Amino acid sequence: EVQLVESGGGLVQPGRSLRLSCAASGFTFDDYAMHWVRQAPGKGLEWVSGISWNSGSIAYADSVKGRFTISRDNAKNSLYLQMNSLRAEDTALYYCAKDDNYGGAAAFDYWGQGTLVTVSS
Amino acid sequence: QLVLTQSPSASASLGASVKLTCTLTSGHSSYAIAWHQQQPEKGPRYLMKVNSDGSHSKGDGIPDRFSGSSSGAERYLTISSLQSEDEADYYCQTWGTGVRGVFGGGTKLTVL
Repeated sequence: EVQLVESGGGLVQPGRSLRLSCAASGFTFDDYAMHWVRQAPGKGLEWVSGISWNSGSIAYADSVKGRFTISRDNAKNSLYLQMNSLRAEDTALYYCAKDDNYGGAAAFDYWGQGTLVTVSS
Repeated sequence: QLVLTQSPSASASLGASVKLTCTLTSGHSSYAIAWHQQQPEKGPRYLMKVNSDGSHSKGDGIPDRFSGSSSGAERYLTISSLQSEDEADYYCQTWGTGVRGVFGGGTKLTVL
């Protein structure tokens, strides 16, 4: 059974940093690209960042480019999102999602339950 | 620019069928998309991938009541024999160059 478990969310002040983690199990992690998707309160899904199986291809939404860094550790079956210079508008539930492709993006076929990030003073 | 457009809301009666639409921007009519369901207070769940030729492949455990189809730049999700638990938000998703993802704005389905 595929499982994606996010952690690392919490309350943080504007301008500070936070690192999210996603622990994956139930599939061969290094065979697939992975993504972070967020959902602000009462809003729709927003793609944040994606990374290919070997970290050779990485992309970011314009809203987070230059502030967020995605990475993965295939030996630990883990995906990460380093979030710096956080803003109030980054407040959201952050989901980890598995891609059904290895190199480029495709359908997101499994999702985690999310971790809540609240940016407030 | 690759954009997905969905109607904000839809409604249908218990036991009836409903067809939700996701429209790709001009020039991207050959793209496949994925449909995701998000029930209230839950995380998203992958339903299926729909190709430009109308073929579709469903995720694990998705009931036969859910099906996909295509026409031109439009991708559809049809839910038949509507049940109360089908009341949810439905998002279409596609993919651009590299590892870039794109979501539609979502459709809130109300089961009457």
